[in-house]
Amino acid sequence: EAGVTQFPSHSVIEKGQTVTLRCDPISGHDNLYWYRRVMGKEIKFLLHFVKESKQDESGMPNNRFLAERTGGTYSTLKVQPAELEDSGVYFCASSDQGAAGANVLTFGAGSRLTVL
Amino acid sequence: GENVEQHPSTLSVQEGDSAVIKCTYSDSASNYFPWYKQELGKRPQLIIDIRSNVGEKKDQRIAVTLNKTAKHFSLHITETQPEDSAVYFCADKHGMNYGGATNKLIFGTGTLLAVQP
Repeated sequence: EAGVTQFPSHSVIEKGQTVTLRCDPISGHDNLYWYRRVMGKEIKFLLHFVKESKQDESGMPNNRFLAERTGGTYSTLKVQPAELEDSGVYFCASSDQGAAGANVLTFGAGSRLTVL
Repeated sequence: GENVEQHPSTLSVQEGDSAVIKCTYSDSASNYFPWYKQELGKRPQLIIDIRSNVGEKKDQRIAVTLNKTAKHFSLHITETQPEDSAVYFCADKHGMNYGGATNKLIFGTGTLLAVQP
């Protein structure tokens, strides 16, 4: 079974530019999450999709971040315009439906974003 | 608010010794507590989890204990090996109502465990 796939693995951009991160969850997983880890800190929740709907976007830092999951399959997270404090590792995770399955998150390897 | 405190931030042990990582959560409604291990350059992976109706769970050399009264939970690794070296994250989750509440995990800040051969 293919795991959660993220692209790119590393992106270096200048302040003010735009970056789009992509996540392909495990096939059939309704739940898709975006998290971010800034160096040395916690893995912080950004948002949660159930299929194509945003269930919870309380962790999105500001309106420079836009997440989409058209068709309920893969998801994109766009940062526009990027700022220095956006640097970090962006993780995507997915989980199955149902109360028990929804608990177990499978993470991708992360997309490291460096804003110069 | 939602908060998970994790200690220590770094831990160095000799191979064969035990390692203990402790977390404290703030929300009494939390009822699911997973532990993730992230090896260098790899994805966080679930290694063990515990639900609030259980006080302890073991899986070979790892165990997790939960004290709901004190809102503490801990990861115990016995007979540590070099391959246990990684960053360990605790987390908690509020609610089991899939249809309503979010299923988001709240993570601690991580513990870098180094097992010296």
